[in-house]
Amino acid sequence: DIQMTQSPSSVSASVGDRVTITCRASQDIDNWLVWYQQEPGKVPKLLIFGASTLQSGVPSRFSGSGSGTDFTLTISGLQPEDFATYYCQQANRFPLTFGGGTRVEIK
Amino acid sequence: QLQLQESGPGLVRPSETLSLTCTASGGSISSSSYSWGWIRQPPGKELEWIGSLFNSGSTYYNPSLKSRVTFSVDTSKNQFSLNLSSVTAADTAVYFCAHYSRSSNWFDPWGQGTLVTVSS
Repeated sequence: DIQMTQSPSSVSASVGDRVTITCRASQDIDNWLVWYQQEPGKVPKLLIFGASTLQSGVPSRFSGSGSGTDFTLTISGLQPEDFATYYCQQANRFPLTFGGGTRVEIK
Repeated sequence: QLQLQESGPGLVRPSETLSLTCTASGGSISSSSYSWGWIRQPPGKELEWIGSLFNSGSTYYNPSLKSRVTFSVDTSKNQFSLNLSSVTAADTAVYFCAHYSRSSNWFDPWGQGTLVTVSS
């Protein structure tokens, strides 16, 4: 199985800050990387697929980059509704696997 | 707009079978455009892919659960289902159904999720 490791596990930030979350795959997954946002008490929401393609309706302050084994999710100008947990998921091969999540908290 | 809703018992006894149903609205289960997936999240832990059901009828299960998992579809009710046999406390989790993109291997939208507790 491909292991997905996210860092940090949590980050404290203020509204307006730039936040970067890292996801590392244990094997080369090309650009088969997906990001989800899960607000407290809500279901995961698709943000980005193909490592860098924004899902329709997702604000442009979210961006994704990377290829191979190392990926990043960047939130430029954190908004109050962005305080949530973010998960990466490798979409390269079965079994599909998720990272452990990164919780973005209010500083 | 496609919406999904899980239903089923919230409590299952150890060694029994966990059965959940996902009802779709705003779209047809049998549409060639749609594939489906199940994901679970144990309390305080990360998401775990259970498996995916392609619109062709093919199923792909997580090897860690494969011997115990079965998916099925009831097109007359616009539902698809998950059966997980021989459950233990380790199967306690919030279970989500989701629309699955076969071409890009992502899940969206997700159902609200249902907590299933395995306990005697």
